[in-house]
Amino acid sequence: TQLLEQSPQFLSIQEGENLTVYCNSSSVFSSLQWYRQEPGEGPVLLVTVVTGGEVKKLKRLTFQFGDARKDSSLHITAAQPGDTGLYLCAGAPTSGTYKYIFGTGTRLKVLA
Amino acid sequence: EPEVTQTPSHQVTQMGQEVILRCVPISNHLYFYWYRQILGQKVEFLVSFYNNEISEKSEIFDDQFSVERPDGSNFTLKIRSTKLEDSAMYFCASRPTGGYGQPQHFGDGTRLSIL
Repeated sequence: TQLLEQSPQFLSIQEGENLTVYCNSSSVFSSLQWYRQEPGEGPVLLVTVVTGGEVKKLKRLTFQFGDARKDSSLHITAAQPGDTGLYLCAGAPTSGTYKYIFGTGTRLKVLA
Repeated sequence: EPEVTQTPSHQVTQMGQEVILRCVPISNHLYFYWYRQILGQKVEFLVSFYNNEISEKSEIFDDQFSVERPDGSNFTLKIRSTKLEDSAMYFCASRPTGGYGQPQHFGDGTRLSIL
């Protein structure tokens, strides 16, 4: 069974601080997605990474896919209260119908 | 921007009753999925659907569950005889084509409450 573990589970920081969220597995994924989910809503796609070692930037968010495609990280620079939410990583296995294996989630709270 | 839409947003049903959750995927998408998220737990894969048939399903997706694409637009999830443990958020997702770089797009979910 493929699993994705995210750490930390909860993170509460002050506005302006930097943070990194990790998504780790012992399995290889063909791609990895990061989503943000607000209460009562569905996951909203932030980024897809496909190539091992790939780095993508989305304004203050930097996403990296591990060289072996088993792990990923999300780094937020100068966090703002609007970044508050649940961050989910989701990996697509290397075979099958591209179903996603979701991580356990990181709940971020940025205090003003 | 096109989006996946789900109805109803909240469904309350007595245990043992049948429910049908509805989804309208993005129009040019070819792969369709259902996931569920029990309160406080992670999102879990239920089933994937391609070319008018189930292509993969999880252990959760037992004989009580079925999916259908009745009219080329809607994609439905039916639970025949609901149990208390079926209470969860159910998310529909779609993606355009094969290829690992194509992400899934999710609807806002249906909250299913079984009494």
